[in-house]
Amino acid sequence: GESVGLHLPTLSVQEGDNSIINCAYSNSASDYFIWYKQESGKGPQFIIDIRSNMDKRQGQRVTVLLNKTVKHLSLQIAATQPGDSAVYFCAENTADSGYSTLTFGKGTMLLVSP
Amino acid sequence: GAVVSQHPSRVICKSGTSVKIECRSLDFQATTMFWYRQFPKQSLMLMATSNEGSKATYEQGVEKDKFLINHASLTLSTLTVTSAHPEDSSFYICSASTTLDTQYFGPGTRLTVL
Repeated sequence: GESVGLHLPTLSVQEGDNSIINCAYSNSASDYFIWYKQESGKGPQFIIDIRSNMDKRQGQRVTVLLNKTVKHLSLQIAATQPGDSAVYFCAENTADSGYSTLTFGKGTMLLVSP
Repeated sequence: GAVVSQHPSRVICKSGTSVKIECRSLDFQATTMFWYRQFPKQSLMLMATSNEGSKATYEQGVEKDKFLINHASLTLSTLTVTSAHPEDSSFYICSASTTLDTQYFGPGTRLTVL
């Protein structure tokens, strides 16, 4: 069950603002990173990914930045909308024994006010 | 494409009973399927990895005799929670993979054990 006192970091923004969600990963051997969006009661939804040979990748309204030196990943959402409200997880992928293993970060709750 | 379904979406059972959750890849064949557990306001934790036709690989701390995983075909994996207790109440999410680094997630199953 839920640990007493455990809560997700929360980022509160106004509609139209840009949002930046940060993530620190642990394994320097990880070669592929993914950001997921999870709405309440649903499974994770793929947003954007980046491989370790890149430091930036852009999608529609989203940009992922990767800093391998400090093992840091960020997700930037431009012109944030109320529909972006959700929990965002970064995940690092390590390929081992022929298949991938994803390790998820703790998550950040994004709250967008109209 | 790449749709993964889970059934049931919600299940309530009495303590001591067993519950089976199905995970299906609807439009592709999954060489590997993964099972995750997520407690409220926490991240996804990998429970086990299964390849079609072989025994599942369980993460440390996950009891293989309590969480039985069967991966009988390239489109179906099942997780059976045996002798369920209230502390097993959680959100169980599966994913399916065809390649080394892409996992497609199901919508999750909410298990409540009374």
